[in-house]
Amino acid sequence: EPEVTQTPSHQVTQMGQEVILRCVPISNHLYFYWYRQILGQKVEFLVSFYNNEISEKSEIFDDQFSVERPDGSNFTLKIRSTKLEDSAMYFCASSDTEAFFGQGTRLTVV
Amino acid sequence: AQKVTQAQTEISVVEKEDVTLDCVYETRDTTYYLFWYKQPPSGELVFLIRRNSFDEQNEISGRYSWNFQKSTSSFNFTITASQVVDSAVYFCALSELRVLDDYKLSFGAGTTVTVRA
Repeated sequence: EPEVTQTPSHQVTQMGQEVILRCVPISNHLYFYWYRQILGQKVEFLVSFYNNEISEKSEIFDDQFSVERPDGSNFTLKIRSTKLEDSAMYFCASSDTEAFFGQGTRLTVV
Repeated sequence: AQKVTQAQTEISVVEKEDVTLDCVYETRDTTYYLFWYKQPPSGELVFLIRRNSFDEQNEISGRYSWNFQKSTSSFNFTITASQVVDSAVYFCALSELRVLDDYKLSFGAGTTVTVRA
């Protein structure tokens, strides 16, 4: 069964460092997303991406964040200068009739 | 603005008991989609169901069933004869109608279900 895959599963980084979270969406899906879940809290929408551009972003998705589809399969989320409050589980998703999520990347900023 | 409320924070049951998770939503849209996801202790989000606002048929899938009532803006989820493997956090989510196949999900706070042997 096709699935959304994310790497790495866990990333630890120092405050101020740049991180790139990687995702491979399901191959025939056209819409891609990033969501965030701070520990113990609800899942929050960050950004949606279609046709090689951002279609919508939330207030959380400020200038520190960027997304890119560098090739035909990968979809990345970059955080330029991480802060302690960026520590969270980051989920990538892609959709056709349903929206499927990857297994998440747990980002820990120390 | 859209809002999803899962009033039950935690539910604990003994194996084989039924458990019903409540989900109440608010939206101004006449067309929208409702979802349920399961988040086991390993952390991933597992898709369970998507329902569009025009389809009020209840659905059953194995031990899972869903009751969609547009009149009360509710989309409740029942696990029949619960098992220990059902222990997880369950999220209800709502998406407005956007372009076909494009969803922006608003999640509820989740309900933690613990099934004891």
